[in-house]
Amino acid sequence: EVQLVESGGGLVQPGGSLTLSCEASGFTVSNTYMSWVRQAPGKGLEWVAVAYTGGRTYYADSVKGRFTISRDNSKNTLYLQMNSLTTEDTAVYYCARECLRDGNFYFFFDLWGRGTLVTVSS
Amino acid sequence: EIVLTQSPGTLSLSPGERATLSCRASQTVSSRYLAWYQQKPGQAPRLFMYGASSRATDIPDRFSGSGSGTDFTLTISRLEPEDFAVYYCQQYGSSPPTFGQGTNLEIK
Repeated sequence: EVQLVESGGGLVQPGGSLTLSCEASGFTVSNTYMSWVRQAPGKGLEWVAVAYTGGRTYYADSVKGRFTISRDNSKNTLYLQMNSLTTEDTAVYYCARECLRDGNFYFFFDLWGRGTLVTVSS
Repeated sequence: EIVLTQSPGTLSLSPGERATLSCRASQTVSSRYLAWYQQKPGQAPRLFMYGASSRATDIPDRFSGSGSGTDFTLTISRLEPEDFAVYYCQQYGSSPPTFGQGTNLEIK
């Protein structure tokens, strides 16, 4: 079955760190563009970061310098390391797969995980 | 970045009625690179439409998308009970990709 399963969310104090994981099955993350998208409680969707094939990464301005996206190809897993967390980072974090069509990746998402909740609070 | 504004914020309709959801961009969305997602409470978003008018896998043909430039529309020709949810548009023609704030389609 093709799916994404996130883990690693929880309660963390402001200024703290957390690392999220997203394990993929049914496809290989190493040759796929993968993103993290978050959703604050009761709010809309916000793209956070993308990992391209070949190692390039790109971040939203709101997390640049604080978050790091990476992957472990041997575990077929995507990660999001989050540092210097603030209350504004409280959200459900989804990992999502970019759509591959006609040999090209497009920056929309055809597969999503169920998400993991990160709560930043003292 | 491109800001997407969805209207209305909430749409109250009955099963069998026609729904029209709007998504307006602050700048031209290149190549009609606009997608629509459906999200139900407690669930992840699900891709419904891409390229402004192409239905994703297994999406019924009562859903249609249209538009270009800065104005896009998602139309549901005849609402079924399972269609009531929040719908988001997303542009992917410019980086960063951005989402609208959502339209809540609720049962009247």
